[in-house]
Amino acid sequence: GQQVMQIPQYQHVQEGEDFTTYCNSSTTLSNIQWYKQRPGGHPVFLIQLVKSGEVKKQKRLTFQFGEAKKNSSLHITATQTTDVGTYFCAAETSGSRLTFGEGTQLTVNP
Amino acid sequence: DSGVTQTPKHLITATGQRVTLRCSPRSGDLSVYWYQQSLDQGLQFLIQYYNGEERAKGNILERFSAQQFPDLHSELNLSSLELGDSALYFCASSRLAGGTYNEQFFGPGTRLTVL
Repeated sequence: GQQVMQIPQYQHVQEGEDFTTYCNSSTTLSNIQWYKQRPGGHPVFLIQLVKSGEVKKQKRLTFQFGEAKKNSSLHITATQTTDVGTYFCAAETSGSRLTFGEGTQLTVNP
Repeated sequence: DSGVTQTPKHLITATGQRVTLRCSPRSGDLSVYWYQQSLDQGLQFLIQYYNGEERAKGNILERFSAQQFPDLHSELNLSSLELGDSALYFCASSRLAGGTYNEQFFGPGTRLTVL
């Protein structure tokens, strides 16, 4: 079935450093969603990107959808300890089901 | 608080047993999804129900079954449990069956431990 590849699997940064996670698909996506899961918590919806080349910002978080709608990225500027968690991208595949990437686990050293 | 409730929070049982996980979606949401998350793993989609009907099926084992009731709550039944079934089971709900702007809201999960 359709897969959504996400890299890196783990990222350790010092507080204040930037962080980026990438999501790639072999097929064109209708849209892509991003979720964050804090340690011990449940996934929480962050944002959805729909248009080719779309860029959306949420404070220090910048989300991009590729021109070909096959890739997406999440960039965090000047990480804080509150950014700790696993970030997942998810794409709608085979009808209405969401296929999640493997996630990028971010740790931030104070 | 996402508005999605799941019970129980924790479940410890033995191999070969059968358990039922329960989920109540957010008010107004018609879709319910079930996911399995093993330790340090991603989210594996199991099954989706929309307004009482099965909508989509993932890699759900034959030992597992689910249903959505007229009041829209859902139950996931796991039988002949094996050690490898130990995981976090999340329920999520959304307003629609699919499509754009149909974000999913996750419940707190049920942690299943099979001994």
